[in-house]
Amino acid sequence: GQSLEQPSEVTAVEGAIVQINCTYQTSGFYGLSWYQQHDGGAPTFLSYNALDGLEETGRFSSFLSRSDSYGYLLLQELQMKDSASYFCAVRDDGGSQGNLIFGKGTKLSVKP
Amino acid sequence: DVKVTQSSRYLVKRTGEKVFLECVQDMDHENMFWYRQDPGLGLRLIYFSYDVKMKEKGDIPEGYSVSREKKERFSLILESASTNQTSMYLCASVRGNEQFFGPGTRLTVL
Repeated sequence: GQSLEQPSEVTAVEGAIVQINCTYQTSGFYGLSWYQQHDGGAPTFLSYNALDGLEETGRFSSFLSRSDSYGYLLLQELQMKDSASYFCAVRDDGGSQGNLIFGKGTKLSVKP
Repeated sequence: DVKVTQSSRYLVKRTGEKVFLECVQDMDHENMFWYRQDPGLGLRLIYFSYDVKMKEKGDIPEGYSVSREKKERFSLILESASTNQTSMYLCASVRGNEQFFGPGTRLTVL
């Protein structure tokens, strides 16, 4: 079957760095995405990695290792507003549909 | 900015009722999706559509149907609502590798 594994909860303090890991097992792989969802809100896109390596966007970075079927989201200089759920998602086909398989999400709590 | 809207934020229906959830996007995207989101289960794909009048089953299509008569509008239909369909329903459209989500409809079936 197809599965994505990520921790269910992570807690960190303001100003710290936190890493949210995601391992996947899918029939196909074309890229790994990350989405952020605040309580009561809609998921919003953070990043997409198709190739191995680190992609940086401001305080957030995303990493992919295709050989290890593994990726992570790195959040630096944590702020209270970063408290949210974070989902990794795999694009498992190369077609135009853009279908994603989502992980179950990691709830990040940032403490003062 | 891409905008995806859903017809209701909150909806309460009774068992056996027919329920329509509407989703509209304003960016001429071809591909649209319906998910349900339940605590601890993440987002699960119900149906998707890659063109007008085209639809494909996702992972959990049972008890649902969809309609796409116009490119901008993708409707999710619960033919006979049941209590196990109480959930948050999210619609999305896609551009490239990015999905754009609507605000969601929290449906309660009594």
